[in-house]
Amino acid sequence: DAKTTQPPSMDCAEGRAANLPCNHSTISGNEYVYWYRQIHSQGPQYIIHGLKNNETNEMASLIITEDRKSSTLILPHATLRDTAVYYCIVRTQGGSEKLVFGKGTKLTVNP
Amino acid sequence: EAGVAQSPRYKIIEKRQSVAFWCNPISGHATLYWYQQILGQGPKLLIQFQNNGVVDDSQLPKDRFSAERLKGVDSTLKIQPAKLEDSAVYLCASSWDRGTGELFFGEGSRLTVL
Repeated sequence: DAKTTQPPSMDCAEGRAANLPCNHSTISGNEYVYWYRQIHSQGPQYIIHGLKNNETNEMASLIITEDRKSSTLILPHATLRDTAVYYCIVRTQGGSEKLVFGKGTKLTVNP
Repeated sequence: EAGVAQSPRYKIIEKRQSVAFWCNPISGHATLYWYQQILGQGPKLLIQFQNNGVVDDSQLPKDRFSAERLKGVDSTLKIQPAKLEDSAVYLCASSWDRGTGELFFGEGSRLTVL
């Protein structure tokens, strides 16, 4: 079973920041938070991951709370092409633990 | 670099028939995964290979599903006989090794069982 809780859907206006929340209250100390997204009719795409520090790359920023029980994926300037299902996953780094996908959040970016 | 290649993209069969899907991972990736994604759900891992050995096949319905990864490169996933509930998208993914959580997915093979 997925170890995370996400809202089933969210809307965002084009050009505005999209903030996608994820709850992982049972996360353990050696588990990382991963984010993937899946655009319609495509396979999932890796976005970003982090342990406890905030992370940023060319696609998004990841903000993890100090207690690590929740996180937020931020798309700073959402475009129509960001419409997708976003999955938040917790996983131990370095082992053979599989990625367990939940149902994710369907983000719709509106013009 | 070339991504994960899968074929066929679409397949329609009748129940009790057989079907096979093929996957070519990114060059140099040691770990290969097959996921099943039923409409409206997230992907579910069926089987994971490290080179040509099976790491995890705990959720593979072994009475009808089989998979192999000959020579540690390409892989095939077979379903025989197919059931209606096997209608899904079958996603192949690869990664440098099993320790990483950064997987590269193909576009998937959509199976419809009538």
